[in-house]
Amino acid sequence: EAGVAQSPRYKIIEKRQSVAFWCNPISGHATLYWYQQILGQGPKLLIQFQNNGVVDDSQLPKDRFSAERLKGVDSTLKIQPAKLEDSAVYLCASSSQGATEQYFGPGTRLTVT
Amino acid sequence: KQEVTQIPAALSVPEGENLVLNCSFTDSAIYNLQWFRQDPGKGLTSLLLIQSSQREQTSGRLNASLDKSSGRSTLYIAASQPGDSATYLCAVINAGNNRKLIWGLGTSLAVNP
Repeated sequence: EAGVAQSPRYKIIEKRQSVAFWCNPISGHATLYWYQQILGQGPKLLIQFQNNGVVDDSQLPKDRFSAERLKGVDSTLKIQPAKLEDSAVYLCASSSQGATEQYFGPGTRLTVT
Repeated sequence: KQEVTQIPAALSVPEGENLVLNCSFTDSAIYNLQWFRQDPGKGLTSLLLIQSSQREQTSGRLNASLDKSSGRSTLYIAASQPGDSATYLCAVINAGNNRKLIWGLGTSLAVNP
């Protein structure tokens, strides 16, 4: 079974630029999560999708962050414009319908200069 | 409000030692608890998941225990190897409808050859 795929693995941008991350969850997993993990901290949930609907986006900074999962499979997370404090690892995870065990991708390390 | 604490924050041991990582949580009404491993700048790998009704789970050289009443879990690593060097995070899911993972800050483990 293939795991959660993410790309790119690394990205360096200047502040005020835009960036997008892509995630492909485990096949058949209905639930998809995006997390932000700042160095030395635990992951922070940004948004949770159930199929193509948003379940929880209470911690998503909606003035600059957006996410979509149009066909209920792949998802993209966008930051526009980026700030220095957005430097972090962005993790995507998925879980099957009704299950709580989450499977994580390798993450995208974003550096904003 | 559920809070998860991991002690120690960092640990350095010689190869071959048996070691224990600790995780405590303030609200004993949990659904389950997970232990994850994270290599530097990488994603998270689920190691063990313990349901609230279980006392322990084992996988290879890893054993995780759960004492819900005292709000504690331990991850025991037997015969540690340099390849075990990583950050170990624990996360709980509260009982109830909100199935968010609540994270500790992790224990950074270095196993020295």
